[in-house]
Amino acid sequence: KNEVEQSPQNLTAQEGEFITINCSYSVGISALHWLQQHPGGGIVSLFMLSSGKKKHGRLIATINIQEKHSSLHITASHPRDSAVYICAVSRGSNYQLIWGAGTKLIIKP
Amino acid sequence: DGGITQSPKYLFRKEGQNVTLSCEQNLNHDAMYWYRQDPGQGLRLIYYSQIVNDFQKGDIAEGYSVSREKKESFPLTVTSAQKNPTAFYLCASSTHYEQYFGPGTRLTVT
Repeated sequence: KNEVEQSPQNLTAQEGEFITINCSYSVGISALHWLQQHPGGGIVSLFMLSSGKKKHGRLIATINIQEKHSSLHITASHPRDSAVYICAVSRGSNYQLIWGAGTKLIIKP
Repeated sequence: DGGITQSPKYLFRKEGQNVTLSCEQNLNHDAMYWYRQDPGQGLRLIYYSQIVNDFQKGDIAEGYSVSREKKESFPLTVTSAQKNPTAFYLCASSTHYEQYFGPGTRLTVT
């Protein structure tokens, strides 16, 4: 079993829909990261969080440390949100991240 | 502008040749990483370096080599010993927890 599991693996939705992507992990962590990878391959860091909730524009990330679970939400989704969303966790003072396999999101106009 | 540069974006090589992928950062980060990504799979760590002149193997280091002679540079050599080198290669650097990524190099070996 992978230490970081994402669901769903693939998600297709209509423009305007509320999107939720889930991430569960089985190890102790110091922080959880959400990243976005566009079709060209470049990766952008969206959020780093260790508790509670963060919001940036239409994106919201939450984490429940007790349940070892995080969610990424996209409100009023748009075709430009189409990308692969990746969850990763960091542990202690080690710089290394443990990566989820990613969720491929397609938003249709 | 601070950031990470990888070159080239696309690289084609014949089987049996060594090839070196460039990664440069001007973020003054101590830590740098090389990842490999295959279609439909997550990132896998090849090598990482937390300080100049020191580097550690990641999960899939066989067939690869790196050097870290300068803080801003962390080149990756894909050797002929790497059995399946065609992939997308991403370089990253980090502060204590947050990683920043380069645009990637897509390597095709035929």
